[in-house]
Amino acid sequence: GEDVEQSLFLSVREGDSSVINCTYTDSSSTYLYWYKQEPGAGLQLLTYIFSNMDMKQDQRLTVLLNKKDKHLSLRIADTQTGDSAIYFCAESIPTGGGNKLTFGTGTQLKVEL
Amino acid sequence: DAGVIQSPRHEVTEMGQEVTLRCKPISGHNSLFWYRQTMMRGLELLIYFNNNVPIDDSGMPEDRFSAKMPNASFSTLKIQPSEPRDSAVYFCASGGGTQYFGPGTRLLVL
Repeated sequence: GEDVEQSLFLSVREGDSSVINCTYTDSSSTYLYWYKQEPGAGLQLLTYIFSNMDMKQDQRLTVLLNKKDKHLSLRIADTQTGDSAIYFCAESIPTGGGNKLTFGTGTQLKVEL
Repeated sequence: DAGVIQSPRHEVTEMGQEVTLRCKPISGHNSLFWYRQTMMRGLELLIYFNNNVPIDDSGMPEDRFSAKMPNASFSTLKIQPSEPRDSAVYFCASGGGTQYFGPGTRLLVL
């Protein structure tokens, strides 16, 4: 079945690291994604990881994937106020006519001074 | 590339009126997706197309909603008649694997 879960809120202090967690249920996922949504804007692709990898680093972002536990995390190093946004994880599931994404509920990250 | 283009960006209408939302996907992308986002229900996939053909419309709420993709560079989502509970942000996304989102259309039905 398709179900992606995230905690709703995370608050961190500027300069600290943020870790946003996600669990998914479909073992046939091929890619897992992190999107960022700022107020009044669309979803912006941040990064993604292929399901046969366990880690991907991209500047301040580190994605960890535990396929056995179906757990995905996004670590943001040196969190800044501009990182305040809603973060969505999504799993890509192949279908007969392309790939379909199932999104989590989103985690609202608040960065405090 | 300009990215995914949606129009209008904002729409305010009265209950019972027809609403048409438009989307131009990124050139070369063969899949197009329509989503709806509300506080209560989060992000919901309404319908998606692959090579202009509707693949899965199981997320379309009811017969008042319809979507078309007459060619590779244009899609519409129509609501007729509109109701206040249709108020939401509607996103279009396109992709050949990874999805890229448009800025959304904020719809308010009074």
